[in-house]
Amino acid sequence: NAGVTQTPKFQVLKTGQSMTLQCAQDMNHNSMYWYRQDPGMGLRLIYYSASEGTTDKGEVPNGYNVSRLNKREFSLRLESAAPSQTSVYFCASSARGGIYNEQFFGPGTRLTVL
Amino acid sequence: SQQGEEDPQALSIQEGENATMNCSYKTSINNLQWYRQNSGRGLVHLILIRSNEREKHSGRLRVTLDTSKKSSSLLITASRAADTASYFCATDVGANSKLTFGKGITLSVRP
Repeated sequence: NAGVTQTPKFQVLKTGQSMTLQCAQDMNHNSMYWYRQDPGMGLRLIYYSASEGTTDKGEVPNGYNVSRLNKREFSLRLESAAPSQTSVYFCASSARGGIYNEQFFGPGTRLTVL
Repeated sequence: SQQGEEDPQALSIQEGENATMNCSYKTSINNLQWYRQNSGRGLVHLILIRSNEREKHSGRLRVTLDTSKKSSSLLITASRAADTASYFCATDVGANSKLTFGKGITLSVRP
């Protein structure tokens, strides 16, 4: 099992460019999440998908869109990148809600917006 | 907004010593979880404690939860250099398996 995979690992964009971060999990998990991690800020939830076919905003959704393509894949799109979106992005998944919701994280994507 | 707040922000100890990290939160929770993050890597789940539990052990880890004080502590006994990492507490407060993470504690274990 690969767990949670993310592509790309690194990306440099110019202001205004667009890109899609890809995430896939092979654990048959229902829920998937996108976070950003900035120095001194911990992890902040951007969007999540509680189950296939649903997506909801998290704490910092502005400037992002997501697609839950199927049960395995959850992508994050930046339509017009801004320097404030320079961050490390993590995708995570969990089996189900309630008391068994430990999350499994991917290795992250380091994004720099110039 | 940050639900969990870890304390201290940074901790430096000698190998073999115990490391104690604290987390406080603001609202009622379903469970509280601790994660570790090695430099440049993703987070790894360490332990989960439910709101009706007071203490839990996993290897060299001991977690306590005091819901009356809205606080939790993570104890790592007999620390090793390999324990050097950032540690985060995360709280589950509702449905949809969402977690709210604190800002993290940087632990350095000196050989």
